[in-house]
Amino acid sequence: DSGVTQTPKHLITATGQRVTLRCSPRSGDLSVYWYQQSLDQGLQFLIQYYNGEERAKGNILERFSAQQFPDLHSELNLSSLELGDSALYFCASSLHGRELETQYFGPGTRLLVL
Amino acid sequence: AQKVTQAQTEISVVEKEDVTLDCVYETRDTTYYLFWYKQPPSGELVFLIRRNSFDEQNEISGRYSWNFQKSTSSFNFTITASQVVDSAVYFCALRGAGGSGNTPLVFGKGTRLSVIA
Repeated sequence: DSGVTQTPKHLITATGQRVTLRCSPRSGDLSVYWYQQSLDQGLQFLIQYYNGEERAKGNILERFSAQQFPDLHSELNLSSLELGDSALYFCASSLHGRELETQYFGPGTRLLVL
Repeated sequence: AQKVTQAQTEISVVEKEDVTLDCVYETRDTTYYLFWYKQPPSGELVFLIRRNSFDEQNEISGRYSWNFQKSTSSFNFTITASQVVDSAVYFCALRGAGGSGNTPLVFGKGTRLSVIA
C-alpha cells in the first residue's frame, strides 16, 4: 500500500458527461501528480500541483482541469467526455515535487466512457 | 526532449529462469533520475527502485538487480530465478533535473513479463 488513495475505483459514464476523480496524497506529501494510462498512449503525465499551486502541465486536454485543496487532496475534473477518454487515471504524490523524489502512485481510477 | 525506450513489449519465461528487461533512455540533462515500477494484474503501480545519474553503482535487492550504464544510456533490470508472482508489466521511467521541479516523469511503454509455472 503506497499510502495514496483514489476514489472511485471504477467509473462508468456516457459521452458528454462530466466526472470528478479524487486523490489523497501520502501523509506529509505536498505535491500531487495526475497521469493517464491508455492502451495507445501509455502512461502520460497530465498535471502537477505543489501545496495548492499548479507546478507543471503535461498533455492535459482543455476539457480536463484539476486543483489541489488546502488539505492537500486533489481532484481531476473531466468534462465533455469522449470515448477516447476511457483510461486508467493515476494520482501520485511526493514530498516537495522535486525531480529526485520518488513518486508513489495510488491504485488508480478506471474510467469507462460509453 | 526526454525519452525512454523499452524495446521488449512482451517476454515469457519459465519459472526459475533469469530474465532481463531492457531500458534505454535519452536526455540532455546532466543530472537525472531513473526509476522502475511494477504494474501487477491488479493494476496499481508499485515503485521498485530509483537511481541517480551520478551514481553508477549497480544495485541488488533479493532476486532483483539493476545495471546502470551511462555510457550506453541503459538501466536494465534483471530478475533472478523468476517466480509466477513476478508476472506483471514493468515500466522504466526518467525524470530530468531541469532545476525548477517541473520536469515530468517520462515512462517507457512497458514490458509485459509472463512467468509460466
